Amino acid sequence: QVQLQQSGPGLVKPSETLSLTCTVSGGSFTSYYYNWFRQPAGKTLEWIGHIHTSGSTNYNPSLKSRVTVSVDTSKNQFSLNLTSVTAADTAVYYCARGRRWFDPWGQGSLVTVSS
Amino acid sequence: EIVLTQSPGTLSLSPGERATLSCRASQSVSNNYLAWYQQKPGQAPRLLIYGASSRATGIPDRFSGSGSGTDFTLIISRLEPEDFAVYYCQQFDSSPSITFGQGTRLEIK
Repeated sequence: QVQLQQSGPGLVKPSETLSLTCTVSGGSFTSYYYNWFRQPAGKTLEWIGHIHTSGSTNYNPSLKSRVTVSVDTSKNQFSLNLTSVTAADTAVYYCARGRRWFDPWGQGSLVTVSS
Repeated sequence: EIVLTQSPGTLSLSPGERATLSCRASQSVSNNYLAWYQQKPGQAPRLLIYGASSRATGIPDRFSGSGSGTDFTLIISRLEPEDFAVYYCQQFDSSPSITFGQGTRLEIK
């Protein structure tokens, strides 16, 4: 069965760039949309953006100026870069597959923005 | 952007009872692109229902979804101990815009 495994640092300094990677295993990687979400403690989920394995992207307008999602089909991976982070970007970040609904999900990565 | 409002915020029920969760959209959800997720503490969301009424793979038939337009419902026909969790609805439109409701916490009475 398809599994998504997230990796990346759990602590990022203010004004720096948050970078996470999601590796897909156990099934076909191509011809799908892959997404990033985040969830601050005690709050609901926020969609950050997605990429199709063809390379086309879409982003949440509220984050668009700071977000880049990229894909590496040779490694079955996709990645998130979020620039100029502040404490408000502290959250659990999730990757997930899908376009209109999302399954499966990665395990989640707590990213704390602090000096 | 479509805003999803879930009610109630918290639902207190006992195992064996029936749970009814509501999700109301600020404008019509096209093509019933509405999904429901279950989330337990420390875990990722789990897809339960997609397309408003289709059960995801491996989801027990005590979970059912219904609705169209702006009003959607998730029903758990007979609560099991493992069903106590937070439930989110989520919509997709072709902008694309993807938004979630604020969640309903289902707790043991």
